[in-house]
Amino acid sequence: KAGVTQTPRYLIKTRGQQVTLSCSPISGHRSVSWYQQTPGQGLQFLFEYFSETQRNKGNFPGRFSGRQFSNSRSEMNVSTLELGDSALYLCASSLTQTHRDTGELFFGEGSRLTVL
Amino acid sequence: KQEVTQIPAALSVPEGENLVLNCSFTDSAIYNLQWFRQDPGKGLTSLLLIQSSQREQTSGRLNASLDKSSGRSTLYIAASQPGDSATYLCAVVSTDSWGKLQFGAGTQVVVTP
Repeated sequence: KAGVTQTPRYLIKTRGQQVTLSCSPISGHRSVSWYQQTPGQGLQFLFEYFSETQRNKGNFPGRFSGRQFSNSRSEMNVSTLELGDSALYLCASSLTQTHRDTGELFFGEGSRLTVL
Repeated sequence: KQEVTQIPAALSVPEGENLVLNCSFTDSAIYNLQWFRQDPGKGLTSLLLIQSSQREQTSGRLNASLDKSSGRSTLYIAASQPGDSATYLCAVVSTDSWGKLQFGAGTQVVVTP
């Protein structure tokens, strides 16, 4: 069974540009969540989608956005990139069954973004 | 606001010793707690998930306990091996925050041969 797949794995952008990251969850998983990992701040929650609805959102500026498609695949977008956006962006999926549930999370390998 | 703490931040043990990793959380209203390991530059690998109604979970050499009332979880790794060297993270889901994992900063473990 394939795991969580994130693309691209590595990317370099310059300040002011925008970036879109993609996540394909494990087959059958309806929940996808995104995390930012940096050496200084650790793992921080960005947002989570369940059945195409954003169920929860972290404390990030509006430049960070996401969406989930009907096939559960998800994308996140960061506009007007800043140097501080350089990080490992991790996607996770889970076999969450209802809106009042959070199942075991399985993570992808991440997308490493460098902003110059 | 839920806060998750892991102490110590780093730990070094000789091969064969048992590892004891600690995780504490400030709000006992949790739905579940999950332990992960992370190798350098990699994603997170799920180790154990404990539901709030459970006291412990076991998988092979790993055993995790949960004491919700005191806000603590402990991960035990028996007979450590060099391949256990990694960063171990715990994370909780609070009952008022579906879909969101609140992570600790992790404990970096080195097992020396």
